[in-house]
Formats: sequence, C-alpha cells, structure tokens
Amino acid sequence: RKEVEQDPGPFNVPEGATVAFNCTYSNSASQSFFWYRQDCRKEPKLLMSVYSSGNEDGRFTAQLNRASQYISLLIRDSKLSDSATYLCVVNQSGGYQKVTFGTGTKLQVIP
Amino acid sequence: DGGITQSPKYLFRKEGQNVTLSCEQNLNHDAMYWYRQDPGQGLRLIYYSQIVNDFQKGDIAEGYSVSREKKESFPLTVTSAQKNPTAFYLCASSNRPPFEQYFGPGTRLTVT
Repeated sequence: RKEVEQDPGPFNVPEGATVAFNCTYSNSASQSFFWYRQDCRKEPKLLMSVYSSGNEDGRFTAQLNRASQYISLLIRDSKLSDSATYLCVVNQSGGYQKVTFGTGTKLQVIP
Repeated sequence: DGGITQSPKYLFRKEGQNVTLSCEQNLNHDAMYWYRQDPGQGLRLIYYSQIVNDFQKGDIAEGYSVSREKKESFPLTVTSAQKNPTAFYLCASSNRPPFEQYFGPGTRLTVT
C-alpha cells in the first residue's frame, strides 16, 4: 500500500458545482496534514493545513478522519480558476523529515 | 518580500556535465529540501537539511550532491552519475511545527 494515495482523476465538473477529493494515508502515527495546489508547470502552493476538528477557508473545507486514515478537501461553488492538481501531503514523523506528497488529483472546472 | 528563489528557470546541459541549481530563501527557515518531479508523477525527495552544515539523503539521492554553508542557501549539484537528470527540480523550506513547506518556482533541467 502506498504511503499516501490519491485518485489521479481528472475530475471534470461544471462551474458552480461542489467537488470533493479524498486522500488516504497508511501510517496511523502521521502528525500533520496539508493540501497543496499545483498549476501546470508551476510549483506547489500551500492551500490549507488540515486540523483534527476540520477547518474551512472560504469555499474550501478540509477534514481529517484518523480512524479511517484519510483526509478530504471539499470545494464549493467551483470556479474556472480552481482548475489545477491538488496534492495531499502527510507529515508522518512530526519532524522535518518524512513528509510524503501524494501524486495529486487533477480538477478541471468546465464553463 | 519574503520567499524562495531558484535560478535559472530553465537549464540545458549536455550529458556528462555537472550542473548546479541555486536555491535561496529569506524566510529565516531552518529546514530546506530538494525535490524532483517527473511528468505525471509526484514529488520525490532528493536531499534535505535541518540546519547549517548538516544534510540528509532523501529517497533518490544517488547522482546528486548538496551543501548547506549558509542558512539561506541550499544549492543542488546534479552530477554526471545521475542517469536520468531531465526533470523539474523544486526547492522548499519549512520551519516549526507543523512544518508546512513553501516552494520556490522550480528549475526545469534538460540534459541531452
């Protein structure tokens, strides 16, 4: 089983739709979790951290389910500008090392 | 403006030549990282450094070398021993828990 697993997509959704991605992780001792956004041929950019109680930033909601070992990202009212690849990132050790990136889920928002 | 800079953006080299990629940060972060990304693939860790004058191998260190003489700088050398050097190279830095990483704009290296 991969350490961090994501559905590669692509997820093609119409503008205004709600879309959700999941990301599973294998190490139950993982300490912190993040979602990054990567546009084509650009660097990943931190979208949001994922907190145990769940957190929201505008149209984006992130949740953590430790029992089932997955995190999720929900995007409401999708915009064309949300089209990108979304990377799930897991810090397994609680330290500087052992940060694992998922391979990403591609989202295409269609007019 | 605080951030991470990488240069150059595009780099072309002939096979058999060593090449050094630059990474500088003014975020006052302790830790710095080098990743490689190939088309359609995730990021793979090459080297990381938690502190000046110390660095550790990542998952794919063979054919690469680094130095960390200053807190702000973490250059990566791609040596001729690296079998498939053509890739997108990303530098990142982080500090304090929860250790979220911030990336530079990347260098696209093409070796022919």
